[in-house]
Amino acid sequence: KQEVTQIPAALSVPEGENLVLNCSFTDSAIYNLQWFRQDPGKGLTSLLLIQSSQREQTSGRLNASLDKSSGRSTLYIAASQPGDSATYLCAVRPKDKLSFGAGTTVTVRA
Amino acid sequence: NAGVTQTPKFRVLKTGQSMTLLCAQDMNHEYMYWYRQDPGMGLRLIHYSVGEGTTAKGEVPDGYNVSRLKKQNFLLGLESAAPSQTSVYFCASSTGLGNTQYFGPGTRLTVL
Repeated sequence: KQEVTQIPAALSVPEGENLVLNCSFTDSAIYNLQWFRQDPGKGLTSLLLIQSSQREQTSGRLNASLDKSSGRSTLYIAASQPGDSATYLCAVRPKDKLSFGAGTTVTVRA
Repeated sequence: NAGVTQTPKFRVLKTGQSMTLLCAQDMNHEYMYWYRQDPGMGLRLIHYSVGEGTTAKGEVPDGYNVSRLKKQNFLLGLESAAPSQTSVYFCASSTGLGNTQYFGPGTRLTVL
């Protein structure tokens, strides 16, 4: 069974600092990996989707890398802003369903 | 364009009561999903559907039933609610199993 782990569970940084969020998964046989953002009391918003054949994806200040062989993905957020405060979840697709991590809750202090 | 909507937003039930959660999407997506989210845990898939008239079990299907009578709607039913079903329920849809999923705002359910 695929296990997805996100450490740390919570992170607090001053505005302007770069954020590094980690995701690890136990089974490297995945089709893709997604990073989502969840604001309090809201649903999830997809940020980036990396196919298993890709090493990274970029969107604006966000960059996600994927090392399938070691079962790791990292989400980088450059020059963090208070508006980046949210919970970030990663999810892997081993076969036909997504397996989610519990998320990292980020607070960016002004 | 509303995307994915869920009804109701909040609900409190007593043990043994039944209810239906409604999910609607206006993006013409084939695939729809129901998840539950509990504190400290990732989202867990309850049931999903790969098209109108089809349903399949996910990771935690016990105590729930679903129906997909129309392509745009996916209903989640609790026949006899239990306190263990207290959770936040999310619906999502996508064009394909491997594609980006679009989520609704969630339904917060409390079972007393």
